Amino acid sequence: AQTVTQSQPEMSVQEAETVTLSCTYDTSESDYYLFWYKQPPSRQMILVIRQEAYKQQNATENRFSVNFQKAAKSFSLKISDSQLGDAAMYFCAYRLGGSQGNLIFGKGTKLSVKP
Amino acid sequence: DVKVTQSSRYLVKRTGEKVFLECVQDMDHENMFWYRQDPGLGLRLIYFSYDVKMKEKGDIPEGYSVSREKKERFSLILESASTNQTSMYLCASRYSQGAGNQPQHFGDGTRLSIL
Repeated sequence: AQTVTQSQPEMSVQEAETVTLSCTYDTSESDYYLFWYKQPPSRQMILVIRQEAYKQQNATENRFSVNFQKAAKSFSLKISDSQLGDAAMYFCAYRLGGSQGNLIFGKGTKLSVKP
Repeated sequence: DVKVTQSSRYLVKRTGEKVFLECVQDMDHENMFWYRQDPGLGLRLIYFSYDVKMKEKGDIPEGYSVSREKKERFSLILESASTNQTSMYLCASRYSQGAGNQPQHFGDGTRLSIL
């Protein structure tokens, strides 16, 4: 069975600094997708960034980028120039390829941003 | 933008009551999901539906049932509420056609307390 592990329950970063959140996953499949979701306090969970396993190039979305290491089964999220609004729970998620398929979530990392 | 609406943000019920949590999406998505979110456990899938009148058990279906009579609505039912079902419940929907990297879109969540 596929599993997703986020080894950092909590992280802290100074405003304007860079922080990296870790995620590893276990799968024997070659076709899959990886996602990072953000859940601000008492607010809706939203997609931050996604990565297709078949793509070698790391995905980027403005200040958010990933380091996708397929052989190591690692999918870390880097947040540059951290802002107070980045404070949230961050969840890494895996989905098997194909039109159907459920997300398997990690347990989350709580990110605090210090002014 | 996709809109996933959950009927209540906060709900308080008593042990033994039958509880209905409603979720509506406005983007004609085929797939819909119900998750339970607990601190330190991340998101766990209760039930999902690939399309109208279809339903599949997730990882923790015991004590729950679902209904999907219309494409836009997915209801979660607690047949006889118990205190261990006190939790945050999240609904999500997803477009299943096209690219496999289609993300899930989440509602705001319902914080359910069973007394």
